[in-house]
Amino acid sequence: EVQLLESGGGLVQPGGSLRLSCAASGFTFSTYGMTWVRQAPGKGLEWVSSIRSSGGDTFYADSVNGRFTISRDSSKNNVYLQMNSLRPEDTAVYYCARVILGYWYFDVWGRGTLVTVSS
Amino acid sequence: EIVLTQSPATLSLSPGERATLSCRASQSVRSYLAWYQQKPGQAPRLLMYDASNRATGIPARFSGSGSGTDFTLTISSLEPEDFAVYYCQHRSNWPLTFGGGTMVEIK
Repeated sequence: EVQLLESGGGLVQPGGSLRLSCAASGFTFSTYGMTWVRQAPGKGLEWVSSIRSSGGDTFYADSVNGRFTISRDSSKNNVYLQMNSLRPEDTAVYYCARVILGYWYFDVWGRGTLVTVSS
Repeated sequence: EIVLTQSPATLSLSPGERATLSCRASQSVRSYLAWYQQKPGQAPRLLMYDASNRATGIPARFSGSGSGTDFTLTISSLEPEDFAVYYCQHRSNWPLTFGGGTMVEIK
């Protein structure tokens, strides 16, 4: 079964850091791009960051550029999101998603992990 | 950044009725648009990609059309499980963006 499982969310103070992980299973991880999408409480979806299958290219929303870093470890079938200088407006459920081959759309999603930035 | 505007914000319909959802882009995205469905407490599900292609396992009552700046998602006859929030998303350039969503609610 194709599956994505996020972890690493929690409560962090403004200015703090957090590292999210997403464990992939059931497919050949190394051939797929991966993405993080977030959803603030009661709000819509916001694309955060994407990484190509090779890991050579990464892309970021303006709202997180310079603060967040996406990476992947194909030996562990994991994708990560390092989040620094966190702000209250970063509070959201963070979803990991698989990119459809050849397209930047997302066909498999995890259940999400909640990040709360508050003092 | 391409802004996607979805309308209406809320659509109140009865089971069996036809739903027509709109997504308008601030500049051309060619046919590079997807639609997602999200139910409360769940992750989004891909419905359509590149405007008119149904994703794997999506019923035929869902269809998509459009190109350039104007797109439509149509649900030909609403089933009880179709009441949800729907989002559009483009892949024309970076950054990728989502629309604000349309909630389809039971009338």
